[in-house]
Amino acid sequence: DIQMTQSPSLLSASVGDRVTLSCKASQNIYKYLNWYQQKLGEAPKLLIYYTNSLQTGIPSRFSGSGSGTDYTLTISSLQPEDVATYFCQQYNSWYTFGAGTKLELK
Amino acid sequence: EVQLVETGGGLVQPGRSLKLSCVASGFTFSSYWMYWIRQAPGKGLEWVSSINTDGGSTYYPDSVKGRFTISRDNAENTVYLQMNSLRSEDTATYYCAKDNNNYDFDYWGQGVMVTVSS
Repeated sequence: DIQMTQSPSLLSASVGDRVTLSCKASQNIYKYLNWYQQKLGEAPKLLIYYTNSLQTGIPSRFSGSGSGTDYTLTISSLQPEDVATYFCQQYNSWYTFGAGTKLELK
Repeated sequence: EVQLVETGGGLVQPGRSLKLSCVASGFTFSSYWMYWIRQAPGKGLEWVSSINTDGGSTYYPDSVKGRFTISRDNAENTVYLQMNSLRSEDTATYYCAKDNNNYDFDYWGQGVMVTVSS
């Protein structure tokens, strides 16, 4: 099974900050990587698919990058509404999710 | 507007069964794979099952294989999850989700809680 490790588990940042969230796979996943945002009490929402493709309706301040085993979600200018937990998910071999990064305002 | 509405959750004793339903609207249901994904309280997400467009192929992780069965009724725009021999570790919120034909989950239901406890 492919394991997904997200870091950090908790991130505190200020409005306007550039924020970077990391996701590392236990083996090469060939860019088959999606990112989701989950706000408290809500279902997850797809943000980025296939490493760097922005889902329709998602603000352009969100972007994704990476290859091989290492992937990154970047928020270029943090907004208050971005407070949430972010999960990465691989689909190179079945589907596994990372444990999440909780993003809070400083 | 795409909508996925799950029902059927509740409190059930270990070893018993429960069947979840997810009614879909706002898209051509029969054209998309469907999934069940769960989230234990305060935990991350776990893929539980997948079904292809005509229901002829189904997939499960080892944690539920042999106990859970996914099915669909394209005439009723509904996907089901039959859960047998339930265990305490199956306690979670269960979401149904739609595939975007790219192995990503572009729409999710609001989730339904399943609690397995005596």
